[in-house]
Amino acid sequence: QVQLQESGPGLVKPSQTLSLTCTVSGGSISIGSYYWTWIRQPAGKGPEWIGRMYTSGTTNYNPSLKSRVTMSLDTSKNQFSLKLTSVTATDTAVYYCAREKGGTGAPDYWGQGTLVTVSS
Amino acid sequence: QSALTQPASVSGSPGQSITISCIGTSSDIGGYNYVSWYQQHPGKVPKLMIYEVSNRPSGVSNRFSGSKSGNTASLSISGLQAEDEADYYCSSYTNTGTLVFGGGTKLTVL
Repeated sequence: QVQLQESGPGLVKPSQTLSLTCTVSGGSISIGSYYWTWIRQPAGKGPEWIGRMYTSGTTNYNPSLKSRVTMSLDTSKNQFSLKLTSVTATDTAVYYCAREKGGTGAPDYWGQGTLVTVSS
Repeated sequence: QSALTQPASVSGSPGQSITISCIGTSSDIGGYNYVSWYQQHPGKVPKLMIYEVSNRPSGVSNRFSGSKSGNTASLSISGLQAEDEADYYCSSYTNTGTLVFGGGTKLTVL
């Protein structure tokens, strides 16, 4: 069974770059039928989709975050990553990585989530 | 993209049935059969309960069902149980290739 695990700093200073990595086990991220996704959820609010990456390298980003987001894949390490630049307090949230089966629009396997706080 | 609209809360007694609505637009729910529903217990990871409007992943109880009419999707839960008390979120594929979530509905089992 596929498992995902987020890793990265839990505290980021305002204006700096948030960087997270998702390590996938139990399956290869090179399989073309899956999309690799980042989702975040501020405390007490609903999830917000950040974006997805295909194994081909193609990306889709949330229009509201597009200017600050970069996603990448490292197939040799079976990992994918998220970078969010110029962070502010409003970027404080639990960040999840997830797998979306192609053609369903539904992330089915999620990581446990990692809390990232933006504060000086 | 605007968040999908869900009622803030719904409630029901054990054994009863409830329905949660999720209102979107023709650019998301109305345009695609890619509506999903997630259950989230406090402090836990969202769990996929319904995908492609009405399909249940393996292991999800058949007490959960989904439907769609126009720009509105619905999640129904029959035979309410105490363990169903949780937050529920809908999501939809959009015409820009992105996903959008609803604000969530808190289900209370009385």
